[in-house]
Amino acid sequence: SQQGEEDPQALSIQEGENATMNCSYKTSINNLQWYRQNSGRGLVHLILIRSNEREKHSGRLRVTLDTSKKSSSLLITASRAADTASYFCATDGGSNYQLIWGAGTKLIIKP
Amino acid sequence: GAGVSQTPSNKVTEKGKYVELRCDPISGHTALYWYRQSLGQGPEFLIYFQGTGAADDSGLPNDRFFAVRPEGSVSTLKIQRTERGDSAVYLCASSLRGGTPTGELFFGEGSRLTVL
Repeated sequence: SQQGEEDPQALSIQEGENATMNCSYKTSINNLQWYRQNSGRGLVHLILIRSNEREKHSGRLRVTLDTSKKSSSLLITASRAADTASYFCATDGGSNYQLIWGAGTKLIIKP
Repeated sequence: GAGVSQTPSNKVTEKGKYVELRCDPISGHTALYWYRQSLGQGPEFLIYFQGTGAADDSGLPNDRFFAVRPEGSVSTLKIQRTERGDSAVYLCASSLRGGTPTGELFFGEGSRLTVL
């Protein structure tokens, strides 16, 4: 079963604009991760945020976590055509070895 | 190798046949995971190995699915009597230490299985 839900399901923006994707989850967590997947390829880890952190940055990526609302957001600033991909959030579910994933946001950057 | 390697990249088989999918993790990574991804969905957990042992196989859908990692490195996912519903991309991932909570995973490119 999937714990996370990404919102929106699809997002199309112009190159140079900022892209924001949201993720909601259901159970308590130790950490939340964001991954990128190019079409037909494997998943690439972007960033991990722990449950006691509220915000984390990595290059053009900014992730926030609100454990009271069980939600996270991923912001990509100054988007590029190469950012076109699907973006997934994954949570550890609190107590086991599984990562539980949402269905992803498909991001299209128009040149 | 530098990354997680999965073979074959594509496998087409007929209903009822036996299939093996292979994963070669990053050298030195003790933890290995198998996930399954259907079109338009996120990955679904199948099984987790810590070293040679399956520490969590709760995601295997039924007893037609089995996985091994005999020497703590390469793993093979085995599917018996394949069904059309088994069609998906099978993803392998590894991490340096494993354990809980699960941290950053390094994924292979996946093996796309199509059951006709």
